[in-house]
Amino acid sequence: KAGVTQTPRYLIKTRGQQVTLSCSPISGHRSVSWYQQTPGQGLQFLFEYFSETQRNKGNFPGRFSGRQFSNSRSEMNVSTLELGDSALYLCASSLEAGKGLYEQYFGPGTRLTVT
Amino acid sequence: KNQVEQSPQSLIILEGKNCTLQCNYTVSPFSNLRWYKQDTGRGPVSLTIMTFSENTKSNGRYTATLDADTKQSSLHITASQLSDSASYICVVSAGQAGTALIFGKGTTLSVSS
Repeated sequence: KAGVTQTPRYLIKTRGQQVTLSCSPISGHRSVSWYQQTPGQGLQFLFEYFSETQRNKGNFPGRFSGRQFSNSRSEMNVSTLELGDSALYLCASSLEAGKGLYEQYFGPGTRLTVT
Repeated sequence: KNQVEQSPQSLIILEGKNCTLQCNYTVSPFSNLRWYKQDTGRGPVSLTIMTFSENTKSNGRYTATLDADTKQSSLHITASQLSDSASYICVVSAGQAGTALIFGKGTTLSVSS
């Protein structure tokens, strides 16, 4: 079974631009979560989608948004990029929403650099 | 405030030695606690998941313990290998459905030969 895939793997953008990252979950998984990872803050939860609906949202500004498609693939968008948005963005998929005991499988991440 | 604190921040050990990583949390209500291993440049991989009623869980050379009374967890690595060099992240799920995830900042382990 193929794992979680994220595209692109690396991205360099300029301040003020916007960016869209893509995540394809494991086949059969309906929940997709997004995380931001930086050396200073560690992993931080952005949002979770299940059946095309946002179920949970972390404490990030409205510049960060996402969506999920009917095939469970998900995209996240960051508008008006700031230098502080430079980070590794991780996507994780699981069978169901709500962390509970459902195992989360992470993708390799997209490394975003904002200059 | 829900928090997860990990110690030490970094650790260097010789190959073949054992080590223990610590995780203290102040999370309520507690749902479950997970340990992840993250190799450089890759996404985290789950090692163990423990609920309130479990106090020990093993995954090969990795053994996690949980003391729900003191709100402490540890990850013990036995007979370390060079491939154990990674960041180890403790994550606590809060809420009845475990929907809120609180992450520790991780312990960076370096195993040298």
